[in-house]
Amino acid sequence: QKEVEQNSGPLSVPEGAIASLNCTYSDRGSQSFFWYRQYSGKSPELIMSIYSNGDKEDGRFTAQLNKASQYVSLLIRDSQPSDSATYLCAVTSGTYKYIFGTGTRLKVLA
Amino acid sequence: GAVVSQHPSWVICKSGTSVKIECRSLDFQATTMFWYRQFPKQSLMLMATSNEGSKATYEQGVEKDKFLINHASLTLSTLTVTSAHPEDSSFYICSARTSPEQFFGPGTRLTVL
Repeated sequence: QKEVEQNSGPLSVPEGAIASLNCTYSDRGSQSFFWYRQYSGKSPELIMSIYSNGDKEDGRFTAQLNKASQYVSLLIRDSQPSDSATYLCAVTSGTYKYIFGTGTRLKVLA
Repeated sequence: GAVVSQHPSWVICKSGTSVKIECRSLDFQATTMFWYRQFPKQSLMLMATSNEGSKATYEQGVEKDKFLINHASLTLSTLTVTSAHPEDSSFYICSARTSPEQFFGPGTRLTVL
């Protein structure tokens, strides 16, 4: 059974701080990794995709992938109250279907 | 990013009726679309994979005769919930794939009375 695990949270950080969200996956053969943001009552929105080891930066967001340790993380710099949402980690393993984690709820405190 | 639309955004229907939900990729062609269901405070649950011009592939435990999926063109997939019952009330979300990323529609909230 291929699994993706996330801490459900809530993860609370003060405004302006760095939020660090983590995700581990069980299938060593996983190829593609995605972070989505989902506001309450809305559908997921793609934030970052990462395919190779290392860091990938886009604005205030940095995705980090470590295939040897089987984890992928998302850092949000200068966190804002508008970043408060559930962050979903998704992984593909051999097919185009996503395997989702259960999501981490982030609360940015003003 | 790529844009995916869904219609309707919400629907309320009586028990026993059928409801059709449309999913369209607006600015790209999607050979593969996915249908998900999400209950409150739970993660997304994949219901089926829809491929243009062929039969949908349903996940284990999803009734194919109840959730009819048609992917008639590269930009349109439809999900029909047949003989809906209150337990079918949920948030239904489609996504369209531009390899390897998926872009999600805004979702359809179904309430069955």
